[in-house]
Amino acid sequence: EAGVVQSPRYKIIEKKQPVAFWCNPISGHNTLYWYLQNLGQGPELLIRYENEEAVDDSQLPKDRFSAERLKGVDSTLKIQPAELGDSAVYLCASSGNTNTEAFFGQGTRLTVV
Amino acid sequence: RKEVEQDPGPFNVPEGATVAFNCTYSNSASQSFFWYRQDCRKEPKLLMSVYSSGNEDGRFTAQLNRASQYISLLIRDSKLSDSATYLCVVNARGFSGTYKYIFGTGTRLKVLA
Repeated sequence: EAGVVQSPRYKIIEKKQPVAFWCNPISGHNTLYWYLQNLGQGPELLIRYENEEAVDDSQLPKDRFSAERLKGVDSTLKIQPAELGDSAVYLCASSGNTNTEAFFGQGTRLTVV
Repeated sequence: RKEVEQDPGPFNVPEGATVAFNCTYSNSASQSFFWYRQDCRKEPKLLMSVYSSGNEDGRFTAQLNRASQYISLLIRDSKLSDSATYLCVVNARGFSGTYKYIFGTGTRLKVLA
């Protein structure tokens, strides 16, 4: 069974440019998470979806970040415009429901220069 | 105070040693608990769930103490391949009222030959 798939694996952009990340969760997983991980830190939740509904986006910087999961399956996370401080690893995870373990994709390593 | 706290380490131990990590959490309504392992530049992977009665998986033992609000991970007979960062994860109710996974910053373990 395929795991959580993310693309791209790496992205280098100049500041003020837009960038988008894509995630395809494990088939049948209703819950999808986007996390941000800085070096030496644990993942921090940006947004959580239950099917197509964003049920927790309290940590998402909405002035520049947006996310969607239109059909309740795959999801995109966008940053526009990117800032130098956005350089980090963006991890997508999915789980069967909110109480079961989450499985992570390999992440997208973003570098803003 | 962070919602989930871990000693970042690093813990440097010789092969064959027994090592223990603790993690404390602040939300007494937390429902589920996990230990994840993260290798350098890789995504977090579930090591084990933590049950109220404690659970063991080979050389790994996890325990939960709800009264004191901490969980622990014990690794016996450490192997070189155990070198990684161990992330404590708590599923707790956030300010929005929904449950979400909260990660600690991780504890770095280095097993030395």
